Amino acid sequence: EDQVTQSPEALRLQEGESSSLNCSYTVSGLRGLFWYRQDPGKGPEFLFTLYSAGEEKEKERLKATLTKKESFLHITAPKPEDSATYLCAVQPPRSTLTFGKGTMLLVSP
Amino acid sequence: GAGVSQSPRYKVAKRGQDVALRCDPISGHVSLFWYQQALGQGPEFLTYFQNEAQLDKSGLPSDRFFAERPEGSVSTLKIQRTQQEDSAVYLCASSLGTPSYEQYFGPGTRLTVT
Repeated sequence: EDQVTQSPEALRLQEGESSSLNCSYTVSGLRGLFWYRQDPGKGPEFLFTLYSAGEEKEKERLKATLTKKESFLHITAPKPEDSATYLCAVQPPRSTLTFGKGTMLLVSP
Repeated sequence: GAGVSQSPRYKVAKRGQDVALRCDPISGHVSLFWYQQALGQGPEFLTYFQNEAQLDKSGLPSDRFFAERPEGSVSTLKIQRTQQEDSAVYLCASSLGTPSYEQYFGPGTRLTVT
């Protein structure tokens, strides 16, 4: 059974305080690993797709990395507007996504 | 361009009522997905369409849940005889194709069963 575990469940940072979110996974044949951002009352917003171990992708203050067992979302010098829940999902050979529970990030000014 | 839209955004139903939730995917997107998200949880897969064909409905929790996409664009998720445990946010997502294409989500429909 495909499983995704995200840690920590919640993270509070001061503005400018860099940190990382973790996504550990077990899946029978990873087709892709996805990161989404979700604001309260809204649907998940696509951030990154990673396909193979060693791959990295960046967008503004965010960088996602992938190994064979986990992915990290690094947040550099976060701002209050980065506050959101960050969701990780894996895609096995079939097309559907299996999501983790998410990490709720709060960045204080 | 327009994203995925869902209606209604909020629905309150009395236990036992039937409800219908609508999803308008991004124009040209072949694949359409329905997910259920409980409070504090990640989305959980319900069902998946490629054009008008329902290729996977393994996530539907009971036979009270039914989804259709008759013309390969708009989709409707129907829940019959709603129960309190059906209260959740129902998310629709579409993607350009399969597999490995990014799924773009709508804002969701928050269903509350009283």
